[in-house]
Formats: sequence, C-alpha cells, structure tokens
Amino acid sequence: DSGVTQTPKHLITATGQRVTLRCSPRSGDLSVYWYQQSLDQGLQFLIQYYNGEERAKGNILERFSAQQFPDLHSELNLSSLELGDSALYFCASSPPTGSYGYTFGSGTRLTVV
Amino acid sequence: AQKITQTQPGMFVQEKEAVTLDCTYDTSDPSYGLFWYKQPSSGEMIFLIYQGSYDQQNATEGRYSLNFQKARKSANLVISASQLGDSAMYFCAMRDPWGGSEKLVFGKGTKLTVNP
Repeated sequence: DSGVTQTPKHLITATGQRVTLRCSPRSGDLSVYWYQQSLDQGLQFLIQYYNGEERAKGNILERFSAQQFPDLHSELNLSSLELGDSALYFCASSPPTGSYGYTFGSGTRLTVV
Repeated sequence: AQKITQTQPGMFVQEKEAVTLDCTYDTSDPSYGLFWYKQPSSGEMIFLIYQGSYDQQNATEGRYSLNFQKARKSANLVISASQLGDSAMYFCAMRDPWGGSEKLVFGKGTKLTVNP
C-alpha cells in the first residue's frame, strides 16, 4: 500500500455519462496531482491542488473538473464522457516541502463504452 | 517548458545482464529533479530513483543507478543483474516548477522485456 488511495479501481460507463474519481493522499501530504494515462498520449498532467486550492492546470478538458476538500481528499469529475476518455487515471501526492516524495495511487481504470 | 525524451520504445535484455534505459531532458531551470518510475503490467507506478540537479554523485538504489550527465542533459537508468520481474514499462520524469507547481513531466516510456 503506497499510502495514496484511489477509488474505484475500475469503472465502466456509457458515453455521455458522468463519473467521479476519488483520491485520498498520503498522510501529511498537501499536494494532490491528477494524471491521465492513455495509449496514444502517455502520462498527461491534468491538475494540481495544494491544501485545498488549485495550484496548476495542465491538459484538462472543460468537461473535467476537480476539487480538494478540507480533509485533503480530492475528487476528479468527468462529464459528458466520450470513448476517448477511456484511460488510466492516477492520483499522486507530495509533501509540503516539495522534495522528491511523490507517491502514486494504484489508479482508476475508466472504460467508456 | 520542461521536456523529457525517451528514444527507446522497447528494450530486450537477458536475465542477469545489465541494461541501460536512455533519458534526455530539456530545461532552462538550474534547479531540477529527475525521477524514474516502473510500471508493471498491473498498472501501478513504482518510484525507483531520484537525482537532483545539484547532487554531486550519481544516485543509486540497490540494483538501480542513474548515470547523470548534466552537460549532455541525460539521466540514463542502469539496471544491473536483470530479473524476470524487471519486465515492465519504465518512465523518466522531471519536476516542473513552472507557475509554482511541482508537477512531474513524463517521457513516453520504454518497455523492458527480460528474457530467461
């Protein structure tokens, strides 16, 4: 167990639907990062939250949104899903000092049918 | 912006031999960090090794070592005495501090296959 918990591990849903992916960071970590891994795009940074506030945005579609709650867990909301959104979604966390302590969760595999 | 290049889509190595996975990077920041992750077929991302730009010595972690050549902007991963369990995707990544973030920028990865 890496200390970062992602749920669910697998998700199958239909096009046009909305899903929520959840991430609980490692204890003490304030930053949460979301990444999308697809076969054609590789690992793409989506968004980062630090202590409840958005810190950086990457290649995140307008149909996607995220937030970090006071208990530091984060949720990634994906709406109007398309076949191309099928991917492995990772959450990672890092401590306040920003050293090299990135820890990844085991990922959520999303399949859109 | 930071960029990571991994030019080897796939590599093959015999069990017990050493293998080098290439990684070059591009950055204008004097302070940066380089990472290697392993992703087995089960999908999880496993941290292997870290090298800071100001570190005087090459990083080592067990059978993993990082051949850091700053002037050439390369950070190759060396795996010694390969094992069958080393078969996986390997990703090189760099910490990108642009805009106050500390996100990681990844290369496209190298698929390593260890043959018995």
